[in-house]
Amino acid sequence: GAGVSQTPSNKVTEKGKYVELRCDPISGHTALYWYRQSLGQGPEFLIYFQGTGAADDSGLPNDRFFAVRPEGSVSTLKIQRTERGDSAVYLCASSQNGGETQYFGPGTRLLVL
Amino acid sequence: TQLLEQSPQFLSIQEGENLTVYCNSSSVFSSLQWYRQEPGEGPVLLVTVVTGGEVKKLKRLTFQFGDARKDSSLHITAAQPGDTGLYLCAGHRYQGAQKLVFGQGTRLTINP
Repeated sequence: GAGVSQTPSNKVTEKGKYVELRCDPISGHTALYWYRQSLGQGPEFLIYFQGTGAADDSGLPNDRFFAVRPEGSVSTLKIQRTERGDSAVYLCASSQNGGETQYFGPGTRLLVL
Repeated sequence: TQLLEQSPQFLSIQEGENLTVYCNSSSVFSSLQWYRQEPGEGPVLLVTVVTGGEVKKLKRLTFQFGDARKDSSLHITAAQPGDTGLYLCAGHRYQGAQKLVFGQGTRLTINP
């Protein structure tokens, strides 16, 4: 399909482990966003990429969270030393040149036991 | 404290009834958007409003942006079971801003 895809769709890990979440944006979209949605809440912004660079990482909660987009397409969100409070749905979105409309992927459901 | 407060958080009504969902803030937004999210999926954009007082219609859904650009409403006429879902308002704080600020959502259930 031509939409935003995210893998894995579900991830169960143990407290203290390292996880990587992947996002494939819509082809040609230069802007990519990561959000986190806790149960019963709206999404919260984490980080925004324009091309390869992180233009705004003000939403990353602490230094255990890191994201990369080395070739300006696929992005990986990396979480070190996971904690139970990191359990949430991690949503990725992309837009064309940072336009008004962001297209969201289905999310990765992360459960930290 | 939520920058965008949605009310009600939960709403369950019978098919055929009308309803209104509110999205309020003490801050001005350059634009507000409404999304619908189904279980296991990401939010899908329904509408964007950018001008104070603007009204947009999408079939049985009517969206309004407040005159001061601090609030918005979503009105559904003759609700149908297919309208069931999580409705989220979100906004850009200023023109050119990239990050979306979301409300906590309104979970709507339409009973047949």
